[in-house]
Parts: sequence; C-alpha cells; structure tokens
Amino acid sequence: DAKTTQPPSMDCAEGRAANLPCNHSTISGNEYVYWYRQIHSQGPQYIIHGLKNNETNEMASLIITEDRKSSTLILPHATLRDTAVYYCIVRLGGNQGGKLIFGQGTELSVKP
Amino acid sequence: ETGVTQSPTHLIKTRGQQVTLRCSSQSGHNTVSWYQQALGQGPQFIFQYYREEENGRGNFPPRFSGLQFPNYSSELNVNALELDDSALYLCASSTWGDRGHGYTFGSGTRLTVV
Repeated sequence: DAKTTQPPSMDCAEGRAANLPCNHSTISGNEYVYWYRQIHSQGPQYIIHGLKNNETNEMASLIITEDRKSSTLILPHATLRDTAVYYCIVRLGGNQGGKLIFGQGTELSVKP
Repeated sequence: ETGVTQSPTHLIKTRGQQVTLRCSSQSGHNTVSWYQQALGQGPQFIFQYYREEENGRGNFPPRFSGLQFPNYSSELNVNALELDDSALYLCASSTWGDRGHGYTFGSGTRLTVV
C-alpha cells in the first residue's frame, strides 16, 4: 500500500540547496506528509511535516503543491553530514492512529 | 528528555526459534509503534500499541505479537522465526493524537535468522 514515490538517488554539491521530490497522488484529505532521514541504518530522524501549507524549520523547508499530490523537501545549504536516505511518508489519519507509510526513499549523496 | 531505547542491538537466532525485542519509549510518550526494515527497503508498519492494547496492524502474520506495559514500554515477540524475518526492527514512540512531530525512533534491533 505504498503511497509515496521518490527517485532512488540524487547528488548534491556541498553548500548548494538539495531539492528532494515526492509524489503522493493518492493522499487523502486528512493525511499528513512527513519527511524523515536515516543514516547508516540508524533509527529514522524527523525532519519536517505538513498538511496543506508550506512549512519551514531550522533543518529544512517543505513545499506542498496546492492539489497536495506532490511535495518537495528543500535542504537550503547541504553539508556532507546530510548524506543519508530521505523518506517521504504519509501519515494515515482517522482510526489508523497515525500509521506511517514509508516509501522506498531517496539516497542523497552530498559531494565536496 | 530521554529518547527511545531498544534492546538488544543485535541478535542471531535459528529458524523456528522465538525472539523478544524490547523498547523503552521517550519520556512523555504513551504510544508505541513497531516497524520492520529489510535491507535496502523502507520500514514497514507492524503494529501500534496505545493504552496497553493493539491499535492498528500492518500485513504481518499472527506470529508477530506485542505487549505494552503500564510504563508505556513495549515488547515485540516473533514466534517460529523464518529466514525472511531477518531485518532491522524499529520502535517509535509518540503521543496519541499529537499531530506534531512526536514520532521518535530508536536505533533498532538487528535480527539475523540463520
């Protein structure tokens, strides 16, 4: 029941912005989009989440299209430590109690 | 605040055996979810516990079961282990109904079934 589609890999130059796309065309109205990242098979680390509006925090920005069928995670100034697998996730609402549906993830390589 | 702690970090079991994995939730959280992550794949939802009861389950057979204790810690039990059960098992804690970023993951238990 995959709900998100991401490119398998991306490269980014250190210091430049990394833009990671995600398609979630079957998302429902009460389902949130979450982004997590995972480094070296450690536990996933929260980055940002949103429902309809664009969001920004100290780590990243999340741009969600008006029809909510896709979103983009932006790391404004990528560093070597941002090299990781980035997961775009749909959080199911209602009586699902917050089940997270992970996609396959994008492996981001930040290069010097 | 303390994070999510999982034990053990690594485990090797033989096919057919049973295993118990443990998770201590983050302070202030009352909900625990378990995920299975096969090599090279995204985590797959197993089930979630709230108020010591299972609340939501993914596509996993009944030999995957769990418990939540009054202190919100949790166990994942897997019976009759199969080779395909080899994976990283992740525990995540959260606060029921919190739409914020309340999902904190542990570092996982790496289970190898031989």
